[in-house]
Amino acid sequence: ILNVEQSPQSLHVQEGDSTNFTCSFPSSNFYALHWYRWETAKSPEALFVMTLNGDEKKKGRISATLNTKEGYSYLYIKGSQPEDSATYLCAHNSNSGYALNFGKGTSLLVTP
Amino acid sequence: GAVVSQHPSRVICKSGTSVKIECRSLDFQATTMFWYRQFPKQSLMLMATSNEGSKATYEQGVEKDKFLINHASLTLSTLTVTSAHPEDSSFYICSFDRGETQYFGPGTRLLVL
Repeated sequence: ILNVEQSPQSLHVQEGDSTNFTCSFPSSNFYALHWYRWETAKSPEALFVMTLNGDEKKKGRISATLNTKEGYSYLYIKGSQPEDSATYLCAHNSNSGYALNFGKGTSLLVTP
Repeated sequence: GAVVSQHPSRVICKSGTSVKIECRSLDFQATTMFWYRQFPKQSLMLMATSNEGSKATYEQGVEKDKFLINHASLTLSTLTVTSAHPEDSSFYICSFDRGETQYFGPGTRLLVL
């Protein structure tokens, strides 16, 4: 894998559903994997930064896992709410202070 | 949390004019910052890396004479699109590096007619 790939491209779920997205990234020259939540007209909000293989992080109903050996990360949202509607971006960098290499994002819509 | 402002949020200009975009960190200082752009249905792509007080480093395919970056302080950077053309129409977004995480502005939508 040369680039960061995210799937699905978009997702529409009902309020209360749990959902998950996938991010695939190059496993070589890996330093950190970043997840951002991006609402329209706002700044992308940093959710998680993960560096170690097997890392699991949690923030409220949102959690993420990391597998650096096979080059993938999952983002989980438990009990989706309409306010979770946003684009979720995944990015990696190869060293601290280096620019981020982004995926195209997963657009989530949660309807009541 | 770290807050980054970016102005203007949206700009429409005529072909041949120059447009300046300002990116400012409001509650922290950072030596390194980045400018990205995003074309429709594409990912955010790095344009240049800038360290305060130094010349910016541009990615391949990004013209340094067209996209002028001024990073004069630890809290302010500007991107000037000179002699803009319709193909420069894009979404431009800045970020400041703060160790483990980058903090982004809300972006600028540029439309060149």
